[in-house]
Amino acid sequence: DIQMTQSPSSVSASVGDRVTITCRASHVIGSRLAWYQQKPGKAPKLLMFAAASLQSGVPLRFSGNVSGTDFTLTISSLQPEDFATYYCQQTYSFPRTFGQGTKVDIK
Amino acid sequence: EVRLLESGGRLVQPGGSLRLSCAASGFMFKTFDMNWVRQAPGKGLEWVSVISAGGGGTDYADSVKGRFSISRDNSNDILYLQMDSLRVDDTATYYCAKGRRPYEYTYHDLDSWGQGTLVSVSS
Repeated sequence: DIQMTQSPSSVSASVGDRVTITCRASHVIGSRLAWYQQKPGKAPKLLMFAAASLQSGVPLRFSGNVSGTDFTLTISSLQPEDFATYYCQQTYSFPRTFGQGTKVDIK
Repeated sequence: EVRLLESGGRLVQPGGSLRLSCAASGFMFKTFDMNWVRQAPGKGLEWVSVISAGGGGTDYADSVKGRFSISRDNSNDILYLQMDSLRVDDTATYYCAKGRRPYEYTYHDLDSWGQGTLVSVSS
């Protein structure tokens, strides 16, 4: 199974800050990675697919990148509605695996 | 508008069985792969199972293999998860989720999710 190691587990930031979250895959998965945002009590929401493609309706301040087996999600200027937990998921093979999650909260 | 509505979650004793349902609307259900994902209270997301658009392909997390069975009714647009031999650590909110593109079994990501149904396993 492919393991996804996500870091940090939490980050405290202010509105306007740049925030970067990292996911490392245990095997080569190409660009087969998705990012999801989850707010308390709500279902996850797809933000990015294929590592760097923005899902329809997602603000342009979100971006994704890949270098080898390392993936990053960057929020260029944090907005109040971005405080949430973020998960990566490899979409290369089954069983699918998620990262442990990164909680972005208010500093 | 895509809608996914899960039901069937409740309190059940260890060793018991439960069948979850997910009623789909707003898209051509029979052309999309479907998944179940769960989340234990206060924990992260755990992928559970997938079924291909036509129903011929399925896969499971190791933690549920041999105990859970995914199926679908493409005539009535319903996804199911049959859960047997339930354990305390199966306690979670169970979400059904839709693949983003039709007929993309191997590499699909999940673009629409239901609101979840809570399964509690306890004596």
